[in-house]
Amino acid sequence: QLVLTQSPSASASLGGSVKLTCTLSSGHSNYAIAWHQQQPEKGPRYLMTVNSDGSHSKVDGIPDRFSGSSSGAERYLSISSLQSEDEADYYCQTWGTAIRVFGGGTKLTVL
Amino acid sequence: ELHVVESGGGLVQPGGSLRLSCEASGFTVRRNYMTWVRQAPGKGLEWVSIIYAGSDTYYADSVKGRFTISRLNSNNTVYLQMNSLRPEDTAVYYCARDWGGAFDVWGQGTMVTVSS
Repeated sequence: QLVLTQSPSASASLGGSVKLTCTLSSGHSNYAIAWHQQQPEKGPRYLMTVNSDGSHSKVDGIPDRFSGSSSGAERYLSISSLQSEDEADYYCQTWGTAIRVFGGGTKLTVL
Repeated sequence: ELHVVESGGGLVQPGGSLRLSCEASGFTVRRNYMTWVRQAPGKGLEWVSIIYAGSDTYYADSVKGRFTISRLNSNNTVYLQMNSLRPEDTAVYYCARDWGGAFDVWGQGTMVTVSS
């Protein structure tokens, strides 16, 4: 069964950096995932796709402070030089034949 | 610029029906995969349904047999017909373009409340 696991919460200081993790279920370690940001009271926004080899493709307009990487079954979203507007929920999402799956989301607090 | 705009949400009684619309601009729905995602109050995102460019359709188990996704090419619009609605279907419903599996264009959402 295709499942994505995320920590419910994370926090980091203003101007600092954070690395969010999304873990693919057993047998699915070669899947690509997408990262989405949802700021408070807003709809989701697509950030990037992260592939199993660690390469990532970002949407135009997403700052260079956001980057993606990969290791085994884990996919990461790194954010540097944290700003107040980065405080949001971050969801990973993946896909298979006839199915789309979201992780539970990580609530990022910028201290 | 690529956009999708949802409409059709509202208050409906349990057991009732509602049809949501998703109008796209900047791209053609019939050449793309289109999907519906929902978010219950205070909860995470849940995938609901997808329609492929070739018109194949798929559903989450939670809505299978009750919801139907379709599109009208002349209106460049995707629909979600929701029947036999339950209180647990209460959510903001988002439409998105599915680009190779990743949802790259999102709408602002439309609220559906199922309550007596």
